[in-house]
Amino acid sequence: DVKVTQSSRYLVKRTGEKVFLECVQDMDHENMFWYRQDPGLGLRLIYFSYDVKMKEKGDIPEGYSVSREKKERFSLILESASTNQTSMYLCASSLRTSGVHNEQFFGPGTRLTVL
Amino acid sequence: GENVEQHPSTLSVQEGDSAVIKCTYSDSASNYFPWYKQELGKRPQLIIDIRSNVGEKKDQRIAVTLNKTAKHFSLHITETQPEDSAVYFCAARRAWYNQFYFGTGTSLTVIP
Repeated sequence: DVKVTQSSRYLVKRTGEKVFLECVQDMDHENMFWYRQDPGLGLRLIYFSYDVKMKEKGDIPEGYSVSREKKERFSLILESASTNQTSMYLCASSLRTSGVHNEQFFGPGTRLTVL
Repeated sequence: GENVEQHPSTLSVQEGDSAVIKCTYSDSASNYFPWYKQELGKRPQLIIDIRSNVGEKKDQRIAVTLNKTAKHFSLHITETQPEDSAVYFCAARRAWYNQFYFGTGTSLTVIP
């Protein structure tokens, strides 16, 4: 059974703080993803990674960076948190993309509030 | 890139009735269309998917249909039950591409 875990369920930070969100998966998946989920906007991709030290921008990368030093761990970094980054953040992982489509498995989410 | 639109944004049905959620996509190269269910406070989970070489797929009370020509696909839930209440997301992806494009979600409420 795939398990994707995130470091915090709830997080409260102040404007300007540096914020780290951690995601760990235990199924040796190559791909990992960070989304933010906002009411009425669905799931929007921030960044994804298809291998260690590899990353690609998604649709809304501004204000975020990522790090993938180990295969099982994918970190989302808010360099200087702002109130408009208050949101639910979801991590996901999947096997390497191929002609056969692979399911994305999601973590439980981190609800981040920036004051 | 791909653009996925989903309707309606909210849907209320009486228990036992059917529910239909519709999505359209813009990229004719998309060939994989999963549906995710997210219960309140929980993570999204895949409930059914369809590939572009198939027109319909069923799994017990849920089914998905795909019209490639019109570039739309739909989720059908029959004999709805209160535990079907959740937010449902459609998505589209191209083969060999990493990125999924999600719809904006439909909040389904099944009234007992």
